[in-house]
Amino acid sequence: ETGVTQSPTHLIKTRGQQVTLRCSSQSGHNTVSWYQQALGQGPQFIFQYYREEENGRGNFPPRFSGLQFPNYSSELNVNALELDDSALYLCASRNAASSYNSPLHFGNGTRLTVT
Amino acid sequence: AQSVAQPEDQVNVAEGNPLTVKCTYSVSGNPYLFWYVQYPNRGLQFLLKYITGDNLVKGSYGFEAEFNKSQTSFHLKKPSALVSDSALYFCAVRDEESNYQLIWGAGTKLIIKP
Repeated sequence: ETGVTQSPTHLIKTRGQQVTLRCSSQSGHNTVSWYQQALGQGPQFIFQYYREEENGRGNFPPRFSGLQFPNYSSELNVNALELDDSALYLCASRNAASSYNSPLHFGNGTRLTVT
Repeated sequence: AQSVAQPEDQVNVAEGNPLTVKCTYSVSGNPYLFWYVQYPNRGLQFLLKYITGDNLVKGSYGFEAEFNKSQTSFHLKKPSALVSDSALYFCAVRDEESNYQLIWGAGTKLIIKP
């Protein structure tokens, strides 16, 4: 089975711009979640999608939005970028049907730098 | 509110010695506990989990963790450390009130010296 892949690996944007990060989930995984990991900190939950609908959200403003597609891919969109948005963005997937507590499978992340 | 604490920012261990990375948690319901490892510039990799049953859980790469309900702890252990175990380790918890959200600790940097 293929793993979780994220693109791009690195990205530099200017404050106020918009960015789209992409994730290809592991085959058969119907649940994808996105995390923000600032330097030296643990991951912070942004939101989760299940069968193309958002079914959970952390403490992030509406300018953080997402999409999940039928082919197991997903996107994280961030509008009006701020300097504090600089972080590693992680995508993680799992098959919610296999087990209530099946582990998350993470991609290697996208390092976003906002200048 | 649910929370996870990893009291040590960094743990230093000599190769071949036993290692322990500490984690304590606070949840209102029954906890589901996880350990993940992160190598530089990589995503997180699942090590092990406790859902129910035996308090001693065995995971990947020779790691194990002990669930202690009275102390609300879930410490990660390994009998003999390897230099390749050097990485960032994260403890996470979810309970019945957050069925979709993992609450993460801040991470502990483990350094194994030859």
